[in-house]
Amino acid sequence: DIQLTQSPSFLSASVGDRVTITCRASQAISSFLAWYQQKPGKAPNLLIYAPSTLQSGVPSRFSGSGSGTEFTLTISSLQPEDFATYYCQQLNSSPFTFGQGTKLDIK
Amino acid sequence: QVTLRETGPALVRPTQTLTLTCTFSGFSLSTSGMCVSWIRQPPGKAPEWLARIDWEDDKSYSTSLKTRLTISKDTSKKQVVLTMTNMDPVDTATYFCVRTEYDYLWGSYRHHYWGQGTLVTVSS
Repeated sequence: DIQLTQSPSFLSASVGDRVTITCRASQAISSFLAWYQQKPGKAPNLLIYAPSTLQSGVPSRFSGSGSGTEFTLTISSLQPEDFATYYCQQLNSSPFTFGQGTKLDIK
Repeated sequence: QVTLRETGPALVRPTQTLTLTCTFSGFSLSTSGMCVSWIRQPPGKAPEWLARIDWEDDKSYSTSLKTRLTISKDTSKKQVVLTMTNMDPVDTATYFCVRTEYDYLWGSYRHHYWGQGTLVTVSS
């Protein structure tokens, strides 16, 4: 199975900050990566796939990039509603594994 | 409007078989590119992809759980059923039913619409 490692696992930031989360795959996965946001008690919400295409309705402050084994999710200017846990998922080959998550909280 | 709802027991005894039903609306599983997946999430942990069934009735399973999982669909009833045998306390998790679309432009799948999830606790 393909392993995904996210860094950092925890991130403290302030409203207005620019933050970047990295996801590294144990083998090349081309562009087959997606990012999700999850808030407590809710299902994950698809933000970005392909890995730079914003899902409809997702604010443009979110962006994704990368290919092969290294990918990033960037939030250009943090808003209060962005404090949540973020997961990457590879969709290159089954099983479609997830990263361990990055919890983003308010500094 | 796309909706998915998971139903099943909240408590399962060790060694028992879990049966979960996903009842959906707003789409058809006979449409090309349409699939339903099951994904679970243990408390405080990352999601774990379990299985997928597609519009052609092709099935795909988690490598580590494939001997215990069976996914099936009833297109006319708009339901997908997941069974997991020999349940263990480590299987305690919230189980999500997810509408999955094969994106022909991208060449892979998108997990776009999620049910609210159902918490299954495995305990004696």
